[in-house]
Amino acid sequence: EPVLTQSPGTLSLSPGERATLSCRASQSVSSSYLAWYQQKPGQAPRLLIYGASSRATGIPDRFTGSVSGTDFTLTISRLEPEDFGLYYCQQYGWSSLIFGGGTKVEI
Amino acid sequence: QVQLVQSGAEVKKPGASVTVSCKASGFSFNIYGLSWVRQAPGQGLEWLGWISAFKATTYYTQNFQGRVAMTTDTSTSTAYLELRGLRSDDTAMYFCARTQFSSTLPFYLDYWGQGTLVTVSS
Repeated sequence: EPVLTQSPGTLSLSPGERATLSCRASQSVSSSYLAWYQQKPGQAPRLLIYGASSRATGIPDRFTGSVSGTDFTLTISRLEPEDFGLYYCQQYGWSSLIFGGGTKVEI
Repeated sequence: QVQLVQSGAEVKKPGASVTVSCKASGFSFNIYGLSWVRQAPGQGLEWLGWISAFKATTYYTQNFQGRVAMTTDTSTSTAYLELRGLRSDDTAMYFCARTQFSSTLPFYLDYWGQGTLVTVSS
């Protein structure tokens, strides 16, 4: 079964800075079969990106997804205070959905 | 608007069973899938499996086969998760999530319920 490795584990940044989150797949059915989610404490995850680079409904354009081979990246161009939290990548195209271990973006 | 509203917190003893419900509104329940995802305290997300509301077909991950059952009631747009033989390491927040899919494969989860905390303790 494929494994998704997210890095770094924790990203310490200030509002206004750029955040770059990585998700590496051990294997991939398709270079576009990846989603990103944001989770804040005490809340359910929220879909940000699907198809590796398509923003979900209502997601601001400071969130950008990209891919190179089996390396996926989520970029937050300028961090807003509400962007701090946990971020998970998730691969699809297999019988099972697979989540990465998460990256915490903290102030 | 799309909403998934889950049932309330549960406390169970080891070996017991628990059923969590997830009532959908704001969309055509029959044409989507419904996944169940859990999150142990301080841990990441673990996908348990999914059910296609239209065909009532299910897929469970190997970790849960034999212990889990996912069903739907299309008349009330409600999905159910039953987990049997509870152990202390089943203590977690359980989320339902609307599932986009293609053919027989689940894709991504675009709307989530608020979560149901299941605590397993003697």
